[in-house]
Amino acid sequence: EIVLTQSPGTLSLSPGERATLSCRASQSVSSSYLAWYQQRPGQAPSLLIYGASSRATGIPDRFSGSGSGTDFTLTITRLEPEDFAVYYCQQYGSSPPFTFGGGTKVEIK
Amino acid sequence: QVQLVQSGAEVKKPGASVKVSCKASGYTFTTYGITWVRQAPGQGLEWMGWISGYDGNTNYAQKLQGRVTMTTDTSTSTAYMELRSLRSDDTAVYYCARNIWGSPSDYWGQGALVTVSS
Repeated sequence: EIVLTQSPGTLSLSPGERATLSCRASQSVSSSYLAWYQQRPGQAPSLLIYGASSRATGIPDRFSGSGSGTDFTLTITRLEPEDFAVYYCQQYGSSPPFTFGGGTKVEIK
Repeated sequence: QVQLVQSGAEVKKPGASVKVSCKASGYTFTTYGITWVRQAPGQGLEWMGWISGYDGNTNYAQKLQGRVTMTTDTSTSTAYMELRSLRSDDTAVYYCARNIWGSPSDYWGQGALVTVSS
């Protein structure tokens, strides 16, 4: 089973600042089958990034993903008020279970 | 538009079973599968398993093997997740989400809260 470790656990930033979130895998994630999801309070998760770096439909370009192998990053260039949420990474390309990371909460400083 | 609409909240006693439904619309049900994910209060996301909308093929998380059964009814485009021998640590919001095997989940249901309490 691939274990995904996200850091930091909480990121305290102001609107307009840049957010950099990390997701590290315990073994290589095949073909960069790594996704990022955003979850706002009381809502279901929503897909942001797939294939490590491709934005899902309708996702603004301030969100970008990068990385390969075992190290992946989600960057939000200029935080908008609606971006304060919890972010999860998930690997979906190796053998199941298709595990999620523990999440990073981006909160208003 | 694609929608996944789940059944409502349930309260169950320890040892009981629960069956959560997920009705799909806005796409051809048999061309996608359904993933089930749960989230305990204040916790992260846990992948529970996947079922093919085409042939009902399943893949379950090992920790739930023997307690979980995922099924589909293609005539109503509905997926079901049944969890048996419920324990207090099964208390969670249960989500269904659409995806093809090897792809991420692009549409999610609204979630169904299952509370296990004596």
